[in-house]
Amino acid sequence: QKEVEQNSGPLSVPEGAIASLNCTYSDRGSQSFFWYRQYSGKSPELIMSIYSNGDKEDGRFTAQLNKASQYVSLLIRDSQPSDSATYLCAVNADYKLSFGAGTTVTVRA
Amino acid sequence: DTGVSQNPRHKITKRGQNVTFRCDPISEHNRLYWYRQTLGQGPEFLTYFQNEAQLEKSRLLSDRFSAERPKGSFSTLEIQRTEQGDSAMYLCASSSTSDFNDEQFFGPGTRLTVL
Repeated sequence: QKEVEQNSGPLSVPEGAIASLNCTYSDRGSQSFFWYRQYSGKSPELIMSIYSNGDKEDGRFTAQLNKASQYVSLLIRDSQPSDSATYLCAVNADYKLSFGAGTTVTVRA
Repeated sequence: DTGVSQNPRHKITKRGQNVTFRCDPISEHNRLYWYRQTLGQGPEFLTYFQNEAQLEKSRLLSDRFSAERPKGSFSTLEIQRTEQGDSAMYLCASSSTSDFNDEQFFGPGTRLTVL
């Protein structure tokens, strides 16, 4: 069983719509959870961090965490063509990050 | 603050050659991490340092791989006797122990191609 699993995608959404990305993890001891955005050929860029159960909003991004269900999600509201990228879910356990394989999002104009 | 830097950005080498990559972390960060990423996968942890001490190495890190951070600032990752399977993006990240949440910030990566 993979440590971090993401919905496989690819995900195609029209401009202005909500993109919903999901992630589950296996290590119950994990305390920190992150979403990275990665454009093709570039390195991952940190866009959201979440540590407590519930929602955390930052601009058009909302991260949701449910530790009991071992579930993390990312919502992208009012999706823009510039949001087209691969989104990586990462879980911090003992300082190192475990990543999912990523979900590729394409925003159609 | 210039962020994490990595050199070279691209490296093409022949099988059997040795290669060395350098990472300069964000200046106030004392933790430094190396990851490897292949196409279609998320980054995989290789090793990390706190100051100059190498605290953990992944089982992925074979004996041909060695990493150093001699003065607790920049780090080098050396791959000896490269194999075609070593072709990947090598990513460096840094964080600070003063950041309880341990947010890690990545450099631009070094793309290695082994012919």
